[in-house]
Amino acid sequence: QVKLQQSGAELVKPGASVKLSCKTSGYTFSTSYMSWFKQIPGQSIEWIGMIYAGDGGTGYNQKFKGKATLTVDTSSSTAYMDLSSLTTEDSAVYFCARGYSLDYWGQGVMVTVSS
Amino acid sequence: DIQMTQSPSFLSASVGDRVTINCKASQNINRYLNWYQQKLGEAPKLLIYNANSLQTGIPSRFSGSGSGTDFTLTISSLQPEDVATYFCLQHNSWPWTFGGGTKLELK
Repeated sequence: QVKLQQSGAELVKPGASVKLSCKTSGYTFSTSYMSWFKQIPGQSIEWIGMIYAGDGGTGYNQKFKGKATLTVDTSSSTAYMDLSSLTTEDSAVYFCARGYSLDYWGQGVMVTVSS
Repeated sequence: DIQMTQSPSFLSASVGDRVTINCKASQNINRYLNWYQQKLGEAPKLLIYNANSLQTGIPSRFSGSGSGTDFTLTISSLQPEDVATYFCLQHNSWPWTFGGGTKLELK
């Protein structure tokens, strides 16, 4: 069955970077898309961007350009998101979700930015 | 960016009630509208895609309707396990945008 397994919770200092992973199984990763989302607990959800695993092509929400960088490793069927120059406003839960349909989601990972 | 206005933001209903949640887009999004259910501490779960298509495995008491700018999610007979927050998402154009959410609780 389709699974998206995200890496564990992160506690990072302001100004630092963090790399989140989303390891997939149960479907053909190399010809699929992956989207990433941000959710501050108790609030709505924001779309960060999308990557096509076939060629690494990306599309970003303008709001997250320069903040988030999406990559993939097709050999391990894993998608990654780098978040840079972190501030307290980046503290949130981040989700990955499959394709355009967003039918399968990772469990989410809490990123806490604090000194 | 397309703004998605969801209403109500909070809803209290009894088991067996018919529940409707609305989403209004700031411009025409055709039928590119999905509905998600999110329980506390969990990832969103796809209920309805492309306005009115029921996702596999979702109970038939959930249904969606609408096109253009106005959309509705209906739960025909509320069950205790439906307590959750519901979000709409437009995927007509980038950036994809969500409604503010509707928190549904039991009366």
